[in-house]
Amino acid sequence: GEDVEQSLFLSVREGDSSVINCTYTDSSSTYLYWYKQEPGAGLQLLTYIFSNMDMKQDQRLTVLLNKKDKHLSLRIADTQTGDSAIYFCAESVPSNYQLIWGAGTKLIIKP
Amino acid sequence: DTGVSQNPRHKITKRGQNVTFRCDPISEHNRLYWYRQTLGQGPEFLTYFQNEAQLEKSRLLSDRFSAERPKGSFSTLEIQRTEQGDSAMYLCASSLGLVAGIGTDTQYFGPGTRLTVL
Repeated sequence: GEDVEQSLFLSVREGDSSVINCTYTDSSSTYLYWYKQEPGAGLQLLTYIFSNMDMKQDQRLTVLLNKKDKHLSLRIADTQTGDSAIYFCAESVPSNYQLIWGAGTKLIIKP
Repeated sequence: DTGVSQNPRHKITKRGQNVTFRCDPISEHNRLYWYRQTLGQGPEFLTYFQNEAQLEKSRLLSDRFSAERPKGSFSTLEIQRTEQGDSAMYLCASSLGLVAGIGTDTQYFGPGTRLTVL
């Protein structure tokens, strides 16, 4: 079946790196996404990775994909207070591009 | 602003009333999606359109829910005889609508409509 799992909370100190983890079950997924949601707002696309890639870097964001273990992570370097949000992992169903979502990880920044 | 827009942003209604939400996608996007999101959860798929055709509906979409996209541009989601369990954030997203298997078909989201049913 299709399922995406994430830890519910992550607490880090300002300036440290944050690593948010995600596991998925559908090995045929072609694209995996990270979205950010701030309180009361919609979902903002952060980045995505194609399944034949191991890593993708975009400024402070690094995505790592371990396809064998079906494990995806998002690393945010030099975490700032503006990074406080809920981060959602989603996998794309290849046949129709529908997204299967995790429950989200709330990132808490300590001063 | 050329992003996805949704109206209204907030709606408070009494149980049993009908409500209608509107979504305006990014102008060149062929696909339009509706999701529902409750507190502490990720979005749950409701339905999607390819141009004006409604191609798939989730079993979450009871017969009280109906969605339209009459001209392949904006879409409306109507909930009839609202129930307290309908209280949620309703999210709309749009994408280019690429053929499956060719590239990614990234979905871009609107700000959502928060529905509260009293």
